[in-house]
Amino acid sequence: DQQVKQNSPSLSVQEGRISILNCDYTNSMFDYFLWYKKYPAEGPTFLISISSIKDKNEDGRFTVFLNKSAKHLSLHIVPSQPGDSAAYFCAARVGGSQGNLIFGKGTKLSVKP
Amino acid sequence: EAQVTQNPRYLITVTGKKLTVTCSQNMNHEYMSWYRQDPGLGLRQIYYSMNVEVTDKGDVPEGYKVSRKEKRNFPLILESPSPNQTSLYFCASSLAAGGPVGELFFGEGSRLTVL
Repeated sequence: DQQVKQNSPSLSVQEGRISILNCDYTNSMFDYFLWYKKYPAEGPTFLISISSIKDKNEDGRFTVFLNKSAKHLSLHIVPSQPGDSAAYFCAARVGGSQGNLIFGKGTKLSVKP
Repeated sequence: EAQVTQNPRYLITVTGKKLTVTCSQNMNHEYMSWYRQDPGLGLRQIYYSMNVEVTDKGDVPEGYKVSRKEKRNFPLILESPSPNQTSLYFCASSLAAGGPVGELFFGEGSRLTVL
């Protein structure tokens, strides 16, 4: 059974508006969550992360929110730009620094000019 | 330049012909991992390694082997490739598996087609 779920395979947003990408998880032992961005024909690149002891982390236009009680995290991109069009993968770490990362299936974001 | 290098980037082979996809990182990372990406299935982990001589199965290890004899190299071996192993493969490395300074660095990918 999937431990990290991204239930929206795709999302389309107008340039300048907010993009919200969602991720749900089932394992309460996850201690760290990360978002990766992937362009076609390239490897994923790290975008932003959040520790399980926090509920928000912000980096420029990107903010990740964590709701532990709901086992839900979201990535907000404000304002969205056409260059943000990519696949976004949510990942969760289990087992601490000696553990492993588990990825969701990804959401393909399309930002229209 | 810090990087993860995979070879070959593209390969077409036939069923049963053994092949190896090499992965090398120059960042002295302890953690390395292999993933395959298939449409609608996201990134699925094949094998990972916490350090030299330490490897563990991921979600989809069947049909694959790995070795970690040196810190920088983590080759993926397909002893007898089958068409269902046609996929896009990514190698990744990190100081640790995720974490404040342990985010994964990915290679550019190896597209494998098994006929």
